[in-house]
Amino acid sequence: QVQLQESGPGLVKASETLSLTCTVSGYSITSGFFWGWIRQPPGKGLEWIGSIYHSGSTFYNPSLKSRVTISLDTSMNQFSLTLTSVTAADTAVYYCARDDFTFGVVVVSQFDYWGQGTLVTVSS
Amino acid sequence: QSVLSQPPSASGTPGQRVTISCSGGSSNIGSNTVNWYQQLPGTAPKLLIYTNNQRPSGVPDRFSGSKSGTSASLAISGLQSEDEADYYCAAWDDSLNGYVFGTGTKVTVL
Repeated sequence: QVQLQESGPGLVKASETLSLTCTVSGYSITSGFFWGWIRQPPGKGLEWIGSIYHSGSTFYNPSLKSRVTISLDTSMNQFSLTLTSVTAADTAVYYCARDDFTFGVVVVSQFDYWGQGTLVTVSS
Repeated sequence: QSVLSQPPSASGTPGQRVTISCSGGSSNIGSNTVNWYQQLPGTAPKLLIYTNNQRPSGVPDRFSGSKSGTSASLAISGLQSEDEADYYCAAWDDSLNGYVFGTGTKVTVL
């Protein structure tokens, strides 16, 4: 059974850097699949942040690309999110998820396993 | 502002059929597969439909998905109280080179 668990600070000061880690159990992240981050501001909809392949290849949301880095720690079976220069608009529940992604003439992508989410509040 | 549009709300009585639409464009729904996610109150989203019309193991066959051109739909037949949730469509967008979610639809069971 694949399980994901987010961890990291629940409070970040404005202009600083948000860092979260997702620990995966029940599946080795080096065995395949992409691994992604999605966020949801309080009372609002879902926003994809980006995804990383086990090889290290990444896709990022163009609207966040200049501030986002997603990386892997294969020894710990974890992947991480770094978001720089945060503002109140970055306050959200952050989810990590497994991305069953296939890039071809037709792109197939679905997030089939999700973490429970972690609320990150940006304070001024 | 999402590139996939959904009605903000839908409702029905127990046993009724409810349909949720998802309107996109040629670079997303028109080119790639569509997924639907169910988010129960206070919980993480759950994959409900993938690749337009496939149900993951454990999802009741009351839920069905379809796609035509640049639009997709989710149908819930035999509506039950536990179906009260937010539903999101999603797809890869070739122009944005990224994954996009719909605006979300809140389903209420009257």
